[in-house]
Amino acid sequence: NAGVMQNPRHLVRRRGQEARLRCSPMKGHSHVYWYRQLPEEGLKFMVYLQKENIIDESGMPKERFSAEFPKEGPSILRIQQVVRGDSAAYFCASSPLAGDSYGYTFGSGTRLTVV
Amino acid sequence: TQLLEQSPQFLSIQEGENLTVYCNSSSVFSSLQWYRQEPGEGPVLLVTVVTGGEVKKLKRLTFQFGDARKDSSLHITAAQPGDTGLYLCAGESTGANSKLTFGKGITLSVRP
Repeated sequence: NAGVMQNPRHLVRRRGQEARLRCSPMKGHSHVYWYRQLPEEGLKFMVYLQKENIIDESGMPKERFSAEFPKEGPSILRIQQVVRGDSAAYFCASSPLAGDSYGYTFGSGTRLTVV
Repeated sequence: TQLLEQSPQFLSIQEGENLTVYCNSSSVFSSLQWYRQEPGEGPVLLVTVVTGGEVKKLKRLTFQFGDARKDSSLHITAAQPGDTGLYLCAGESTGANSKLTFGKGITLSVRP
């Protein structure tokens, strides 16, 4: 009965490299949300996906960031040419329904450090 | 943009004390959720409130949703060191493609 699985837990990248963050939602959940958390700034929404579709990417930076949730496999958040300002904790959450008032289930996050 | 203001930002109390913290907004939400987050982990859902004026109890925690569905409070009775953590409120926006908007959180420390 695994929850939301995120990997890696910690990721170190040099400036200019690419970072790939993976998220496997809970079984039966088809809605995935990515959030970024910086100290003293709270959780900021990035993108909402369903299988093979991006529903809302209003929180995603226009450049270097992309997300996908393929028919098979985990959701991927990809950051190209990382910069120091990308260092943060990235959380993925899933829910079984859209407009779900039952709450999200979060993963343990990926802590990205750009050096 | 829907904003959620949480107060106080930091709170340090002695074990056994009672406390109330707040989550306020000028926007109406279809539901409001409270999460607790511990260092190095993701947020864990505590409760969801949906109806204006709704009160929910979870052991020593009491959650209330404002009548206008714009604000919420969390009251903890006889706080324990295990209650220490970051408490986040999150509002679910109305309409299609709803998503959660989070407040910055309240850092609670309960001293033994």
